[in-house]
Amino acid sequence: AQSVAQPEDQVNVAEGNPLTVKCTYSVSGNPYLFWYVQYPNRGLQFLLKYITGDNLVKGSYGFEAEFNKSQTSFHLKKPSALVSDSALYFCAVRDMDNNAGNMLTFGGGTRLMVKP
Amino acid sequence: DTAVSQTPKYLVTQMGNDKSIKCEQNLGHDTMYWYKQDSKKFLKIMFSYNNKELIINETVPNRFSPKSPDKAHLNLHINSLELGDSAVYFCASSQDALSGGPYNEQFFGPGTRLTVL
Repeated sequence: AQSVAQPEDQVNVAEGNPLTVKCTYSVSGNPYLFWYVQYPNRGLQFLLKYITGDNLVKGSYGFEAEFNKSQTSFHLKKPSALVSDSALYFCAVRDMDNNAGNMLTFGGGTRLMVKP
Repeated sequence: DTAVSQTPKYLVTQMGNDKSIKCEQNLGHDTMYWYKQDSKKFLKIMFSYNNKELIINETVPNRFSPKSPDKAHLNLHINSLELGDSAVYFCASSQDALSGGPYNEQFFGPGTRLTVL
């Protein structure tokens, strides 16, 4: 079985400050990890993914995420937050070794609020 | 051009009715999905489908059924609608899920908000 935990329902940060949105995962094999963002009344948009290789992954809109196998984490980060980054962020995992199809399991989402 | 589109955007109906939501993707992808997002924004996979295999999340009631007339379309049929079916339903697609590319990201449609009265 595969699962994802996003321990924070909401993260508040001031514009210009760095932000971190936390994600931990559980898979029996090796993980594919993804971050998506959802703006109000919109579908999810892909931000970045970790497949293999460098643990630091860079994605859209200046976001990056660091894969940490020992801590089973894939936290999303950005050095300087913008008000326009305010949205709902989802972490997702797929067990590359033990999952038929491309079934992603999503975390519960974290609402990011960036204040001016 | 919209990559993944869904119709209708809003659907309001009575309990017990049967309804369908349509999904089309113009990305040339070979795999499509349906997700349900509940009022707490929790997102859950319902189906994964390509031309070879339908994978159903075991928790999905059999009142829900996907129908794919061709590779670019995956429609969702819901029979005997219940109050608890009220949610936002998202269609998504990706490429080569079963043939070497399970690491490919999924592209999501804008969602269909279903309200059952």
